[in-house]
Amino acid sequence: AQSVTQPDIHITVSEGASLELRCNYSYGATPYLFWYVQSPGQGLQLLLKYFSGDTLVQGIKGFEAEFKRSQSSFNLRKPSVHWSDAAEYFCAVGYNQGGKLIFGQGTELSVKP
Amino acid sequence: SAVISQKPSRDICQRGTSLTIQCQVDSQVTMMFWYRQQPGQSLTLIATANQGSEATYESGFVIDKFPISRPNLTFSTLTVSNMSPEDSSIYLCSVEDLERGVEQYFGPGTRLTVT
Repeated sequence: AQSVTQPDIHITVSEGASLELRCNYSYGATPYLFWYVQSPGQGLQLLLKYFSGDTLVQGIKGFEAEFKRSQSSFNLRKPSVHWSDAAEYFCAVGYNQGGKLIFGQGTELSVKP
Repeated sequence: SAVISQKPSRDICQRGTSLTIQCQVDSQVTMMFWYRQQPGQSLTLIATANQGSEATYESGFVIDKFPISRPNLTFSTLTVSNMSPEDSSIYLCSVEDLERGVEQYFGPGTRLTVT
């Protein structure tokens, strides 16, 4: 079955430190890949997406992600975290246009001052 | 990206009753979806709302419990019927416009508590 794994349930980083959130998916073909962020009491906001081409994609709010086919991974990174980045981050994959998204369990990010 | 609104934003309901959640988009979109996010959990697709035809439900979700309507390309409703405390969740609609891309955009969600 198709699945998405986010190994880290909760991560705490200091403000200004770098961040990497991990995401792995299971499937033979290359899916569409997404990262969403959910702030408390809010819906999901799309941070970035990967369909094809350059494996390093840039998103909003200074985030980037790198697709590694050999590792079936799509890790999210940010060089310097801000306190406002504290939120829940979800990795999601889709396998066809107009189809459902499969979400990982989410990683809760806390930011220390 | 599309602007999506949901009504109500939250509600507290008694078991055995039903609640209808509305999802409105500011532009015509091809696809509309309904997801459920149980407390502390990730998102699970309930169904795809098809314009002019019955919704397509995922395994574990049935029309009698979650009837869905989609009368046009900008609006959909999800009803949670005969509610029990296990239905306490956040319900989110999302949209995808096949002419613009494959990403889905999400509404703010409806937080439902069943007592």
